[in-house]
Amino acid sequence: QVQLVESGGSVVQPGRSLRLSCAASGFTFSSYAMHWVRQAPGKGLEWVAVISYDGSNKYYADSVKGRFTISRDNSKNTLYLEMSSLRAEDTAVYHCARGRIQSYYDASNIWGQGTMVTVSS
Amino acid sequence: DIVMTQSPDSLAVSLGERATINCKSSQSVLYSSNNKSYLAWYQQRPGQPPKLLIYWASTRESGVPDRFSGSGSGTDFTLTISSLQAEDVAVYYCQQYYSPPFSFGPGTKVDIK
Repeated sequence: QVQLVESGGSVVQPGRSLRLSCAASGFTFSSYAMHWVRQAPGKGLEWVAVISYDGSNKYYADSVKGRFTISRDNSKNTLYLEMSSLRAEDTAVYHCARGRIQSYYDASNIWGQGTMVTVSS
Repeated sequence: DIVMTQSPDSLAVSLGERATINCKSSQSVLYSSNNKSYLAWYQQRPGQPPKLLIYWASTRESGVPDRFSGSGSGTDFTLTISSLQAEDVAVYYCQQYYSPPFSFGPGTKVDIK
């Protein structure tokens, strides 16, 4: 079945780096744009970043621009989020999500369960 | 950047009654070339990832009960649950996908009265 499984979340000190992964299965990963969306504890959804199906286009939220990098390896069916200079306000559950169609100008109908990142000294 | 707002923050509705949630974008999300509003609605139950309910402002996602409907165009949108069921207790978010960053609204919590 169509599935997204995130991993890599952990407790990390402020200023350090962390890489999240999202393993896709059950669909042709290379045909879809992919997003990262996060949710701080008890808070709402915050869109983080998107990457086009071929990796040629990337966009970021202002809150993470210059610190986070989204990437993908279509040969491994995996999406990544490289996070650096982490701050306490980056503490959240990070979900990966897939759009309905190839374009990233679309709603997301497939979501992973998420991986928790805690930034704390 | 487009800012999304929602109202109310929360509402409590009796079982079988109608629930209405409003969403407003700071600029139009209507793409004139295809006359589509790039607006989605999601439901998030506690401990679960979001679930897509509505896209293009009014198109119901496959498998979503027909008591959920979306309306609106341009900057003003509405999600209606025509007859609230117990399983509809959740937080509901709108999202614009017209222009990155693809911002979400702050959410509306729906409870049973």
